Amino acid sequence: DAKTTQPPSMDCAEGRAANLPCNHSTISGNEYVYWYRQIHSQGPQYIIHGLKNNETNEMASLIITEDRKSSTLILPHATLRDTAVYYCIVRVYGATGNQFYFGTGTSLTVIP
Amino acid sequence: EAGVAQSPRYKIIEKRQSVAFWCNPISGHATLYWYQQILGQGPKLLIQFQNNGVVDDSQLPKDRFSAERLKGVDSTLKIQPAKLEDSAVYLCASSLLPYTDTQYFGPGTRLTVL
Repeated sequence: DAKTTQPPSMDCAEGRAANLPCNHSTISGNEYVYWYRQIHSQGPQYIIHGLKNNETNEMASLIITEDRKSSTLILPHATLRDTAVYYCIVRVYGATGNQFYFGTGTSLTVIP
Repeated sequence: EAGVAQSPRYKIIEKRQSVAFWCNPISGHATLYWYQQILGQGPKLLIQFQNNGVVDDSQLPKDRFSAERLKGVDSTLKIQPAKLEDSAVYLCASSLLPYTDTQYFGPGTRLTVL
């Protein structure tokens, strides 16, 4: 079962920052937060992940609160190609390795 | 670096027929996953392989679904017989390591059962 809660949809103006929130209040100390996105008719694409510290790469920034119960994915300058469903996932360590439990995600629409 | 390859991309069958999907993971990735994604939902893990062994198939409907990963590289997922509720996108993913690594997904196979 998904351990995250996300708003079902968001809009963002092209060129502006898109801030996508995620709640993961039951996260354990060694569980990572991952973000993927899925553009229509494609497989999920890895964006970024983190444990405690804020992370940044060429695609996005990930801000994790100090208590680790929530995080925000930031797309600094959204483009029309960023329109997609964004999944926030807590990677759970099971007996057989890492498990990804996807929720229903946030459908982001970038508006011209 | 080549990504995860899947085929076919689309398949339409009638209920009670059989169907098979193929996946070729990223070279060197030991762990392979099959997910089912029903329209409007996030992907759900069906089975996880570590090399050629199954490490988790708890979510796989074993009365009709089967999967194998011979030689620890390519994998095949089969449904026999198919039901209407099997209509979904079947995604394959791979990761270098099972416990610490990012999963990379293929484009998926969209199955329609009529």
